[in-house]
Amino acid sequence: DIQMTQSPSFVSASIGDRVTITCRASQGINNWLAWYQQKPGKAPKLLIYAASVLQSGVPLRFSGSGSGTDFTLTISSLQAEDFATYFCQQSDSFPLTFGGGTKVEIK
Amino acid sequence: EVRLVESGGDLIQPGESLRLSCAASGFTFSGYAMAWVRQAPGKGLEWVSAMSGTGGTTFYADSVRGRFTITRDIYKDTLYLQMNSLRAGDTAVYYCAKFERWPDYYMDVWGQGTTVNVSS
Repeated sequence: DIQMTQSPSFVSASIGDRVTITCRASQGINNWLAWYQQKPGKAPKLLIYAASVLQSGVPLRFSGSGSGTDFTLTISSLQAEDFATYFCQQSDSFPLTFGGGTKVEIK
Repeated sequence: EVRLVESGGDLIQPGESLRLSCAASGFTFSGYAMAWVRQAPGKGLEWVSAMSGTGGTTFYADSVRGRFTITRDIYKDTLYLQMNSLRAGDTAVYYCAKFERWPDYYMDVWGQGTTVNVSS
């Protein structure tokens, strides 16, 4: 199974800050990586797929990069509605696996 | 509007069975692969099972293989998860999700979730 390691697990940030979250796969997955945002009590929402492709409707302040085993999700200027938990997921092969999550909280 | 609505979650005793349903609308259900993903209280996301659009291929997490069965009814536009021999560790919110493409197994639409609580 492909293990996904996400870091940090917790980020304290202010409105307007640049936030970067990393995700590392235990083996190469090309660019088969997705990022999701989840708010409390809500379902996950797809932000990015294929490592860097922004899902329709997602604000341009979100971006993704990486290939192989190392990936990043960047929020260029944190907004109030971005405080949430973020998960990466390898979309390369079954069993599908998620990172442990990064909770972004208000400083 | 593309929509997924789960139902069937309940408080149930260990060893019992439960069937979850996911009603799909707003897209051609038979043309898309589907998945179940769960989230235990306060924990992260765990993929449970998936089925190809044709229904001919299924996948299961090791933690549920042999106990859970994924099926779909293309005439009712509904996905199911039959869960047998339930354990306390199966307690979670269960989400139904749609794959946008196959392969490249990311999920673009999710339901609101249904809660399964396995407890004596």
